[in-house]
Amino acid sequence: NAGVTQTPKFQVLKTGQSMTLQCAQDMNHNSMYWYRQDPGMGLRLIYYSASEGTTDKGEVPNGYNVSRLNKREFSLRLESAAPSQTSVYFCASSDSLSTDTQYFGPGTRLTVL
Amino acid sequence: KNQVEQSPQSLIILEGKNCTLQCNYTVSPFSNLRWYKQDTGRGPVSLTIMTFSENTKSNGRYTATLDADTKQSSLHITASQLSDSASYICVLRSGGYNKLIFGAGTRLAVHP
Repeated sequence: NAGVTQTPKFQVLKTGQSMTLQCAQDMNHNSMYWYRQDPGMGLRLIYYSASEGTTDKGEVPNGYNVSRLNKREFSLRLESAAPSQTSVYFCASSDSLSTDTQYFGPGTRLTVL
Repeated sequence: KNQVEQSPQSLIILEGKNCTLQCNYTVSPFSNLRWYKQDTGRGPVSLTIMTFSENTKSNGRYTATLDADTKQSSLHITASQLSDSASYICVLRSGGYNKLIFGAGTRLAVHP
């Protein structure tokens, strides 16, 4: 099992460009999450999906959109990238919202110039 | 003010030595507290989990303690190895949708 995979690993964008970060899990988990990690700060939840077909805002959703494409895949889209979105993005999954163990992907390092 | 504060921010120790990392929190109530290990360039991996009623939990050379009265947790690493070099993150679960509150982490470097 690969667990949680993310693509790409690195990306550089110019201000105003758009892109989609991809995430897939092969553990048959119902719930999936997107976080960002900034220096000196803890991980912050951007969006989450309790189950296929549902998505909800987390702590810092502004500037992002998500799609739960199917049970395996959960994508994060930046429509018009800004330098403040320079960060490392992590996708995670868990059995359900009430199950504590979240399994994280390797992350995508995004730089917006 | 951060709800989860970790100290020190960074730490360097020699291989074979012990160390203790601290986590102070103001989150209340919470259902459990986890310590995660995050290797450079990787996602966090869970090391230990304690409910609010537990005092200690071990995972090999890692021992976590929890003092609910003082709202402090610590992670003690015994006989450190080079592979222990990583960031260690304290995480509390609060809320009904698996809401996790992350500390900023302590970056540990183990030198030979």
